[in-house]
Amino acid sequence: QLQLQESGPGLVKPSQTLSLTCTVSGGSISSDTYYWGWIRQSPGKGLEWIASLSYSGTTYYNPSLQSRVTVSVDTSKNQFSLRLSSVIAADTAVYYCARSYDVLNGYSTTAPRGDFDYWGQGTLVTVSS
Amino acid sequence: DIVMTQTPLSSPVTLGQPASISCRSSHSLVHPDGNTYLSWLQQRPGQPPRLLIYKISNRFSGVPDRFSGSGAGTDFTLKISRVEPEDVAVYYCTQATLFPITFGPGTRLEIK
Repeated sequence: QLQLQESGPGLVKPSQTLSLTCTVSGGSISSDTYYWGWIRQSPGKGLEWIASLSYSGTTYYNPSLQSRVTVSVDTSKNQFSLRLSSVIAADTAVYYCARSYDVLNGYSTTAPRGDFDYWGQGTLVTVSS
Repeated sequence: DIVMTQTPLSSPVTLGQPASISCRSSHSLVHPDGNTYLSWLQQRPGQPPRLLIYKISNRFSGVPDRFSGSGAGTDFTLKISRVEPEDVAVYYCTQATLFPITFGPGTRLEIK
């Protein structure tokens, strides 16, 4: 059974960089039929997609956050990561990692638009001094 | 960005009775490749979201058949034929036809 687990600091100071890692177990991150995504959830804004990436490093970003976001993958560790710079209080949220997979077709070409079929438990990150 | 709206935002239902949630997108969700990238997620209290329905009407593995999805273009519906206690949750529609991926505001299903 595929499992995803987010890890990283739960408290980040304003203007600093939020860094999270998602560790994938029970399956390989290295398949071109999967993309790996970050989604956050805050009380004020509901669910917000941040970015998705493939194991080979192809990325898609939400334009609203793109200037501050970097996502990367480490296939040797079966992990992918999120960095969000210059954080403010509004970045306080539960951050989820998830797998994107075209459940119906299983195509690599549609993986970026795939269904978020497996999710981590989420990690609360609070931005506060 | 495609804006997803849901109605109602809160739905009190009686156990054993049906429930219906509507989702409307600000732009057609039919992609040039022929797919409609509309799915439904369920989020129970204290849990991460869970995939329920993908590509409008396909139930994900393990999802009870009392859940069904329908719709086309810009209008979609999630139906529960007979609400069970474990269905208390917030339900989100989400689209991936056009980046950025966006989500509806969520519909809170609660028992009367």
